[in-house]
Amino acid sequence: GENVEQHPSTLSVQEGDSAVIKCTYSDSASNYFPWYKQELGKRPQLIIDIRSNVGEKKDQRIAVTLNKTAKHFSLHITETQPEDSAVYFCAAPNTGNQFYFGTGTSLTVIP
Amino acid sequence: DSGVTQTPKHLITATGQRVTLRCSPRSGDLSVYWYQQSLDQGLQFLIQYYNGEERAKGNILERFSAQQFPDLHSELNLSSLELGDSALYFCASSVIGANTGELFFGEGSRLTVL
Repeated sequence: GENVEQHPSTLSVQEGDSAVIKCTYSDSASNYFPWYKQELGKRPQLIIDIRSNVGEKKDQRIAVTLNKTAKHFSLHITETQPEDSAVYFCAAPNTGNQFYFGTGTSLTVIP
Repeated sequence: DSGVTQTPKHLITATGQRVTLRCSPRSGDLSVYWYQQSLDQGLQFLIQYYNGEERAKGNILERFSAQQFPDLHSELNLSSLELGDSALYFCASSVIGANTGELFFGEGSRLTVL
């Protein structure tokens, strides 16, 4: 299956600062790269995704960048707020549409 | 509300027992995935079904089995339960077409094995 590595595993930032989470993947055929946010005790929910025909996508304070050559993609959160505190997972579905997730990043935004 | 329904929400049982977790996907979604999330752990892919047929297996133990029925709901059967099987089990569904798309997760079934 796809091998997805995610760093860092934990991240603490001051409110208003930026947060960056990085993922690498192994299957060069992967062409869809979503990010999920999981609040404590809740289900993971998609927050942003990118397809391999674009290099960057933005949605208000969050953005995702993709480098297909290097097989890595990153989540960027700007002007962080306490409600951004959660666990974030990246995923890189393989050619069979199996979604393998990264190990997660626990983000804490300190007020 | 994601449209994916999982039952039961909570389940407490003893070691050696067997339980069945149930999932109803979003209307129109043909693909169902099962994931296991242990405490402070990531999402471990267990198994995927598509339109009633097994599509792929991940890190699923032999004590675990699953199936997808003609009405597209799915069941995950966990047998000979061990303490380490305590976890949150998520079901997710998606539409599979020309392009991979979003996974919609249910609220999960929290299994506690005592």
